[in-house]
Amino acid sequence: EDKVVQSPLSLVVHEGDTVTLNCSYEVTNFRSLLWYKQEKKAPTFLFMLTSSGIEKKSGRLSSILDKKELFSILNITATQTGDSAVYLCAVDLFLTGNQFYFGTGTSLTVIP
Amino acid sequence: DAGVTQSPTHLIKTRGQHVTLRCSPISGHKSVSWYQQVLGQGPQFIFQYYEKEERGRGNFPDRFSARQFPNYSSELNVNALLLGDSALYLCASSRSGTSSYNEQFFGPGTRLTVL
Repeated sequence: EDKVVQSPLSLVVHEGDTVTLNCSYEVTNFRSLLWYKQEKKAPTFLFMLTSSGIEKKSGRLSSILDKKELFSILNITATQTGDSAVYLCAVDLFLTGNQFYFGTGTSLTVIP
Repeated sequence: DAGVTQSPTHLIKTRGQHVTLRCSPISGHKSVSWYQQVLGQGPQFIFQYYEKEERGRGNFPDRFSARQFPNYSSELNVNALLLGDSALYLCASSRSGTSSYNEQFFGPGTRLTVL
């Protein structure tokens, strides 16, 4: 059975802290791994990772994939209150189309 | 450019009724996927359509059906509603629906409440 597990389930930090969110997966037919940020309704796209060891970076956010150990991390440095959200990890399964298999998400709360 | 749009934003139905949810993809995107997100969980894949053909189906009962129109918009239909169908229904669009790397962009969702 395909599985995507995110940890921790929730996290509370102070502004300025650095956080690391984890996503491990056990799936057949792995194609890529994606990170999304969900604040109220629509998840917004952050990163797509396809190759091991290549860091993707966007401002204070960065992410990397390890296809040997089957996990990815999302780092957020110098956190701000606007980073408070649920962060979702999804694996795109290589089937006839694109089927995204999501984890439960990590709820991040940044307090001033 | 407009993003993915969905209608309605909220819907309240009673058990046994039928519901139709609508989605318009980003201009130029030919694939639409539907997800169900129950409170506290990640989105769960229901269907993917590409060029009006079903490309994938998740583990949902036959009460759930969908279709895609020539303009690439899509409808999700749910028959014989159950209380457990209460959820946020998300639509996502992507440029392609075939075996290639695809970012999916999500709409704001339709909040369905079944009483």
